[in-house]
Amino acid sequence: DAKTTQPPSMDCAEGRAANLPCNHSTISGNEYVYWYRQIHSQGPQYIIHGLKNNETNEMASLIITEDRKSSTLILPHATLRDTAVYYCIVRVSPGNQFYFGTGTSLTVIP
Amino acid sequence: NAGVTQTPKFQVLKTGQSMTLQCAQDMNHNSMYWYRQDPGMGLRLIYYSASEGTTDKGEVPNGYNVSRLNKREFSLRLESAAPSQTSVYFCASSVGLAGGQETQYFGPGTRLLVL
Repeated sequence: DAKTTQPPSMDCAEGRAANLPCNHSTISGNEYVYWYRQIHSQGPQYIIHGLKNNETNEMASLIITEDRKSSTLILPHATLRDTAVYYCIVRVSPGNQFYFGTGTSLTVIP
Repeated sequence: NAGVTQTPKFQVLKTGQSMTLQCAQDMNHNSMYWYRQDPGMGLRLIYYSASEGTTDKGEVPNGYNVSRLNKREFSLRLESAAPSQTSVYFCASSVGLAGGQETQYFGPGTRLLVL
């Protein structure tokens, strides 16, 4: 089962890009990488996911290394509302189970 | 669409009492999940239901039972609550494509305190 490793906390200045790293060195070839965030004990919110290629949506960009052993979530212009715990997740079979880990607590500083 | 809804929002129980947490989704999803989150921790999977009529254990199933009542509803029951079950419980659902990419959508959570 692929698990993930993330730094426990990070700070980012408001308006700057926030780059959140994740290691998933045991990921299997067909396992997707997902990113979720959790704002102040609310339900986790989906951000983005990818398999091999880099992905971008209205919230963020996801950069996956060629060997797929690590990835980076990029919030291009961080705002105070982006302060949250960010989880990098690899889906674990069977049953589409998500292993959340403890995530990275991102604090955006004014 | 309301998405994923959970009731109740808050609950206080005494040790040994029983209760059922309710979850419903209106997205016509096949798969549903129950997680718990303890302070300072990530979410851990308790049970999941890949499709209507099926349920399977997750990482931490002891002390819980589940019922997939129909496609929309997935309930979690504590038969004899213990203080160790004090936690925040999240329900989630996903489309349920076998072997495919799956985005899970989460409810707002139920905060449970067992005294």
